[in-house]
Amino acid sequence: DQQVKQNSPSLSVQEGRISILNCDYTNSMFDYFLWYKKYPAEGPTFLISISSIKDKNEDGRFTVFLNKSAKHLSLHIVPSQPGDSAVYFCAASHSGAGSYQLTFGKGTKLSVIP
Amino acid sequence: NAGVTQTPKFQVLKTGQSMTLQCAQDMNHEYMSWYRQDPGMGLRLIHYSVGAGITDQGEVPNGYNVSRSTTEDFPLRLLSAAPSQTSVYFCASSYGPVRSYEQYFGPGTRLTVT
Repeated sequence: DQQVKQNSPSLSVQEGRISILNCDYTNSMFDYFLWYKKYPAEGPTFLISISSIKDKNEDGRFTVFLNKSAKHLSLHIVPSQPGDSAVYFCAASHSGAGSYQLTFGKGTKLSVIP
Repeated sequence: NAGVTQTPKFQVLKTGQSMTLQCAQDMNHEYMSWYRQDPGMGLRLIHYSVGAGITDQGEVPNGYNVSRSTTEDFPLRLLSAAPSQTSVYFCASSYGPVRSYEQYFGPGTRLTVT
């Protein structure tokens, strides 16, 4: 049973436009969410996170929105740049015994076209 | 700072062989973890450690052993390699629980078991 779902395996966006990556979760115990970015042949790098007590967190060009009632979060990248082309993973954890464990989605490959 | 380093980068094993994947970090992080990533899948937690001498199982621990004798090192041992263990393995570290602190990932070890 997949608890964190990224239903779009890939996304193509023109440079300068907005990229929106989506993530759904099923476990209502999750209360902390993260986005990681991964380039080929490299390890993932942390991008941005959000706690369930918030519905929005912004860091430069990156904004994460959380809709708890829908169990949905999204990552917005504005404006998109060619260097943003990578695989983006959504991850979640909960504050119980698994606070050091992350559950990852399968990832969405973003291609930003110059 | 070298960050999180992993050796080897690539490895081919025959079924039944054993080997150790090395992971080291120079950031004085307490938390270290091992993940595997299979094609089309997110990262899945194998084992983790919350400090020297303390380890615990993650989501997919079978067939792997870990130990943490120092803060810096967290090796992953494959006891008797199986084709199902063909994967890319990532080591990660953080100052504290991943819900509160950024995880830093190594570049990965690509393992093929024939």
